Amino acid sequence: DQQVKQNSPSLSVQEGRISILNCDYTNSMFDYFLWYKKYPAEGPTFLISISSIKDKNEDGRFTVFLNKSAKHLSLHIVPSQPGDSAVYFCAATDSNYQLIWGAGTKLIIKP
Amino acid sequence: EAQVTQNPRYLITVTGKKLTVTCSQNMNHEYMSWYRQDPGLGLRQIYYSMNVEVTDKGDVPEGYKVSRKEKRNFPLILESPSPNQTSLYFCASSFIGGRNANEQFFGPGTRLTVL
Repeated sequence: DQQVKQNSPSLSVQEGRISILNCDYTNSMFDYFLWYKKYPAEGPTFLISISSIKDKNEDGRFTVFLNKSAKHLSLHIVPSQPGDSAVYFCAATDSNYQLIWGAGTKLIIKP
Repeated sequence: EAQVTQNPRYLITVTGKKLTVTCSQNMNHEYMSWYRQDPGLGLRQIYYSMNVEVTDKGDVPEGYKVSRKEKRNFPLILESPSPNQTSLYFCASSFIGGRNANEQFFGPGTRLTVL
């Protein structure tokens, strides 16, 4: 039973438009959420995170929104750039340092 | 440069031949972890370590061993590899405690094929 789900295996977005990646979770004990980005032949790299006491965190072009009642978070990338083409993983933790990962969404930015 | 290194990056082996994948970090992190990535399943944790001489099982520990004799190194050992251990493996590390405790740094990955 997957506790963190990314239901879209892939997403294609035009350059300059907004990319929205979604993530759902089932465990209400999760209190910290992270997004990682992964290029081919490289390890994942940390992108942005959000604590469960917040509903939004912004870092440049990247914003993460958390809806605790719906157990849903999303990553918005505005504007999307070609270098954003990668696989994006959502992860969650209940503060025991164990990250539970989603299956990933492959984002393709079209020129 | 702060980094997590893994060796080898690619490995093709045969069933039953013992192998070790090394992992080293230079950031003085207490926490280290091994994951495997399989299509459609995301990253699944194999083993983790909170400090030297302290290791614990993750979600998929069967067929693997680890050791943490030094803070910087966390090797993954497959005593008798089988084809279902063909996967992409990642080592990761992080601090324990503090604001960035959950932000794990990853190595470049090791692609293992067991024939």
